[in-house]
Amino acid sequence: GQNIDQPTEMTATEGAIVQINCTYQTSGFNGLFWYQQHAGEAPTFLSYNVLDGLEEKGRFSSFLSRSKGYSYLLLKELQMKDSASYLCAVGNYGGATNKLIFGTGTLLAVQP
Amino acid sequence: DGGITQSPKYLFRKEGQNVTLSCEQNLNHDAMYWYRQDPGQGLRLIYYSQIVNDFQKGDIAEGYSVSREKKESFPLTVTSAQKNPTAFYLCASFSWDPKGNYGYTFGSGTRLTVV
Repeated sequence: GQNIDQPTEMTATEGAIVQINCTYQTSGFNGLFWYQQHAGEAPTFLSYNVLDGLEEKGRFSSFLSRSKGYSYLLLKELQMKDSASYLCAVGNYGGATNKLIFGTGTLLAVQP
Repeated sequence: DGGITQSPKYLFRKEGQNVTLSCEQNLNHDAMYWYRQDPGQGLRLIYYSQIVNDFQKGDIAEGYSVSREKKESFPLTVTSAQKNPTAFYLCASFSWDPKGNYGYTFGSGTRLTVV
């Protein structure tokens, strides 16, 4: 089966660092994506990992361990505008199956 | 600018009615997708299409129908058979750009409410 797990909610303080974890068990794997979604809006792309290791992009970093089925998104120097849902998704491409499988998302609240 | 346009942004439907949600893209992407999102939940795949005149059922296709007559367009019809249609609907297209964004480009969504 397909299973992607994330914490439902997290709270952090402005200026701090927060790590959002994601574990997955899927029948196929073609990379792991992180998206940010503000309430009532469409998700926007944050990061993509297909090889093990850390990818850094400004205040956001994403890590992948394929052997452990594990990823995390690291947000540094938190700002109030970072309050949003963060969606972990696994790419499953090949043949007739070309799709992203999403976790339920982690709602992050950044407090002053 | 290239992108995905969904319309309308808000849609109200009476019980027993069919409604069609529009999704148009000018990105020249082959693959297009429809997702449904309920409060506090992730995105669930309804239908997807990888080429014109072909589409596949996703995880929750019952009560929905789609067509793909043109590359640019992938409309979703929510039929009266869908028992709980109130949700936020997202259309997406897929590209593989090694220099930029990977994965999906999303439309701005349609919020459907049954009244």
